[in-house]
Amino acid sequence: GQQLNQSPQSMFIQEGEDVSMNCTSSSIFNTWLWYKQEPGEGPVLLIALYKAGELTSNGRLTAQFGITRKDSFLNISASIPSDVGIYFCAGRSSGGGADGLTFGKGTHLIIQP
Amino acid sequence: DGGITQSPKYLFRKEGQNVTLSCEQNLNHDAMYWYRQDPGQGLRLIYYSQIVNDFQKGDIAEGYSVSREKKESFPLTVTSAQKNPTAFYLCASRPGLPSGEQYFGPGTRLTVT
Repeated sequence: GQQLNQSPQSMFIQEGEDVSMNCTSSSIFNTWLWYKQEPGEGPVLLIALYKAGELTSNGRLTAQFGITRKDSFLNISASIPSDVGIYFCAGRSSGGGADGLTFGKGTHLIIQP
Repeated sequence: DGGITQSPKYLFRKEGQNVTLSCEQNLNHDAMYWYRQDPGQGLRLIYYSQIVNDFQKGDIAEGYSVSREKKESFPLTVTSAQKNPTAFYLCASRPGLPSGEQYFGPGTRLTVT
């Protein structure tokens, strides 16, 4: 099946720093989603992107749908301790079972005070 | 409150026993999904259902079974045929296509010894 390469796998940063992570695919997607998961909980949807080139913000989070439709980026500005967690990207292609959603393996964000 | 509930949060079973994980939603969503999460593996789709009384296998259905007798409920049975059942199990639901995205429950951590 399709695969998403999400990087970095983990990030150790200082509080207040900006964060960037991305997902790439060899296939074209028509939707990109970004989720955050805290330890022992289910993922929570942060941002949904539906159009190539789209840039969408949710508070300190900004995500972009790449022009090639094969990648997406998530930026977090001025990180705070509650940003800790695992961030997953997910891409949807047309067709396929289960609404064609493929998940990345996640970026584990760790913030040092 | 509207949402997705999974119970129990933690479940312990002896090897060779079947176990059923509960997933209920009161969001009036048509589609429901079961994922398995292992460290470093991301989310892998086990089964999904887009309407009542119908369900489809995902990428790793072997050793699992489901039913969808009611719109609100999508229980997952982990059978003794599943070789490595210890994992974090996540249920998700989604409104009917084309609108809306998947929303996740809080998860059930199953430990089989």
